[in-house]
Order: sequence, then C-alpha cells, then structure tokens
Amino acid sequence: NAGVMQNPRHLVRRRGQEARLRCSPMKGHSHVYWYRQLPEEGLKFMVYLQKENIIDESGMPKERFSAEFPKEGPSILRIQQVVRGDSAAYFCASSRPTDPEAFFGQGTRLTVV
Amino acid sequence: QQPVQSPQAVILREGEDAVINCSSSKALYSVHWYRQKHGEAPVFLMILLKGGEQKGHDKISASFNEKKQQSSLYLTASQLSYSGTYFCGTEKSGNTDKLIFGTGTRLQVFP
Repeated sequence: NAGVMQNPRHLVRRRGQEARLRCSPMKGHSHVYWYRQLPEEGLKFMVYLQKENIIDESGMPKERFSAEFPKEGPSILRIQQVVRGDSAAYFCASSRPTDPEAFFGQGTRLTVV
Repeated sequence: QQPVQSPQAVILREGEDAVINCSSSKALYSVHWYRQKHGEAPVFLMILLKGGEQKGHDKISASFNEKKQQSSLYLTASQLSYSGTYFCGTEKSGNTDKLIFGTGTRLQVFP
C-alpha cells in the first residue's frame, strides 16, 4: 500500500506564474488536508477536503489560492500569480473517514524566483 | 488557536530523558504527536483520545489530561534517532476534524 504521494517534490516558479501541487491520498483514504510550512516553522492548516467537497478552508488565503478533490484523481492545490512569500513546503495528509490517524506525504517545496 | 509547546528546544546526550509539553486554550477531543526530521515529512507517533490515558511504544510514551487541555510526550533513554522536531496536533471534535499543530519542539540527541 503506497503512502501519500505528492508531486512534484520540488517546483520553481517565476513571480506571476501559476503553481499546481498534486496529492494522491493513501488507498481507502477519502479525507485530505493541506498544510503549509515555512522554513524553521510549524505546520499551518490550509484546507480540509473530502471527495468533491471542501469541508474547512479557514486557513486558505482569500485570494489566489484554491483547492479541489475531484471524484477521480488527486487533490490539487492551485496558487495563481505566485509571489515570493508563497515559497514554502506544502504538505498533504490523508485519513480514513472513521480513523483519526493522518499520514503525511513527502511534501512539495515551492520556490518562487 | 495554536497549541503551545514547551520547551522550544532540548539538547540531550544519548540515554537521557526528556519531556515535551503541549497546551491548548480550547477543549480537545484528541492529541496527536508527530516527529519531523529536517527536510522530511512529519511521521505519526501516537494519538491519545481519552483524558488521563497514557500510551506508548518502545521508550516513547504520552499522556493526555483532558481537563487541563494538556498533553506530554515522554522520551526515555533517548537514542540518536530521536533527533528531530516534535509537533503536537490537536483535534477539537471527533469527526476526523482538521489537526491544528503546535509550535514545535526541536530535540537534538548527541552521542
């Protein structure tokens, strides 16, 4: 059983471009969580999704950021018109509906130049 | 509201013990503990669901005082592999709610 898969592992974007981060949860996991981590800092909650639904997006910036988890395929975190301050590691975690244990992917390290 | 962890950093020699605390200002349903090594993903250690219940495996254990909204992680006879940053994640409700992570405690174990 493969773990949570995130790709790409590293992503470099110029200011103003779009960044798309993908997360495939573990088999049998229908809950996905996205977190952002700045260097030497903690994990900041961004958004919690279930299949085709956004459950909690209280941690998402109001502009330029969006997330989806379609019926088929991975969850996508999209950042439009990236700025230098978006540079961070973005982690995705997944869990089963009836099990609170959440497993993390290896993260995507976004660098905006 | 982000849980507060203490201490911020710990330096140990192999074989020494450490306690990491996690405190929340809100009522909690559960506390989750993770360890993250530099440049890697957080790795799940354990979850505590009931007040006062202590859990553990190997030489790492934890307790959760629901009334005080606090949890403590106990590392005994530390090994070099214990080095990393420890995060507590708190959950307010039991419906696989999101985890809000604490400020982190950096642990370094030297030979």
